[in-house]
Amino acid sequence: GIQVEQSPPDLILQEGANSTLRCNFSDSVNNLQWFHQNPWGQLINLFYIPSGTKQNGRLSATTVATERYSLLYISSSQTTDSGVYFCAVDYTGNQFYFGTGTSLTVIP
Amino acid sequence: NAGVTQTPKFQVLKTGQSMTLQCAQDMNHEYMSWYRQDPGMGLRLIHYSVGAGITDQGEVPNGYNVSRSTTEDFPLRLLSAAPSQTSVYFCASRRVAHNSPLHFGNGTRLTVT
Repeated sequence: GIQVEQSPPDLILQEGANSTLRCNFSDSVNNLQWFHQNPWGQLINLFYIPSGTKQNGRLSATTVATERYSLLYISSSQTTDSGVYFCAVDYTGNQFYFGTGTSLTVIP
Repeated sequence: NAGVTQTPKFQVLKTGQSMTLQCAQDMNHEYMSWYRQDPGMGLRLIHYSVGAGITDQGEVPNGYNVSRSTTEDFPLRLLSAAPSQTSVYFCASRRVAHNSPLHFGNGTRLTVT
């Protein structure tokens, strides 16, 4: 299967700070998603971004498929951004492979 | 529009017992799948289906059975539960068409003693 590495594994930020999370993957992909798992365990879809750049409020993401990585940017972080951020990739559309996540803690 | 609904939310089983985790979606998605989430290991695919009557194995299928008799439902069966199956289970669905994201249910926390 496709290997997915996320960095950093843990991140602690002061409220208002910016951060960049990275996802590297080992093979060509046709699908890439970023998820936020909140403290209640729910998986929230942030971006579906197999290539290019998207923005949604304070969050944006960029995927460079030819170089096999994706970045998630969080600006002006808030305590509600705390949780675990997962990247998931797939080539066929049927078997998504997840990274082990970046655990983010935002301190007031 | 409820999205992806999983039941139960919590379950405790004894080793050797059987049970079925339920998953239903009301978005008319062709693709449905089951993942398990263990600490430090992210989510791993157990089984998936691309339509009624079609199922296939994922990364960690052993100990689990699935069937897909309708578009809406995709139950996951544990025939003889083992402590190694203690985990949080997530169901997800998506349209088969390109550019369609995965939508997850809220999960079922299973403990096998």
